[in-house]
Amino acid sequence: QQQVKQSPQSLIVQKGGISIINCAYENTAFDYFPWYQQFPGKGPALLIAIRPDVSEKKEGRFTISFNKSAKQFSLHIMDSQPGDSATYFCAARASGNTPLVFGKGTRLSVIA
Amino acid sequence: GAVVSQHPSWVICKSGTSVKIECRSLDFQATTMFWYRQFPKQSLMLMATSNEGSKATYEQGVEKDKFLINHASLTLSTLTVTSAHPEDSSFYICSASHRGQGYEQYFGPGTRLTVT
Repeated sequence: QQQVKQSPQSLIVQKGGISIINCAYENTAFDYFPWYQQFPGKGPALLIAIRPDVSEKKEGRFTISFNKSAKQFSLHIMDSQPGDSATYFCAARASGNTPLVFGKGTRLSVIA
Repeated sequence: GAVVSQHPSWVICKSGTSVKIECRSLDFQATTMFWYRQFPKQSLMLMATSNEGSKATYEQGVEKDKFLINHASLTLSTLTVTSAHPEDSSFYICSASHRGQGYEQYFGPGTRLTVT
């Protein structure tokens, strides 16, 4: 059972464009939703995270939009740059010290 | 702050041998450490959860006798792949969480294991 569904699987965006990655979850006990960026051969790095008490969080060029009723959240990368080319994973977990559940990942390529 | 290291970063071993991977939280005491496995172009799959001083909790389908986890201190957890086989070749990633950080998980850089 895949608890966090992520789409698209891959994404090609022009430099300066907006990259949008979507995730949907099933478990209503989830209350923490982070996004991770992973470069080849490296561990994932936390990019931005949101809790369900807010509908949007912005940090620099990265924005999370959260829709609790639809059980969906998305990552928007504004002014996408070639250096943003990486694999992005959404994740979710319940409260407390519980394991993260990851989406399958989106491979983003930003082309000049 | 919140740095997690892994050693080695990559290892090649022969089939049938055992390999130990270390995960250390360098600047905080980790309440819990998690071990993940990642195959090429796939997502992270949780293998086990370990708390200092207690036995690890393994996910369904993960052989606890093959993947031995020891969490001897609040800053060190080890994963030993016993009697490794080529199908165990993968990218192994640990993460550590800290109650004071809202249980945020900090990931290590990963260890690439190749079994020949």
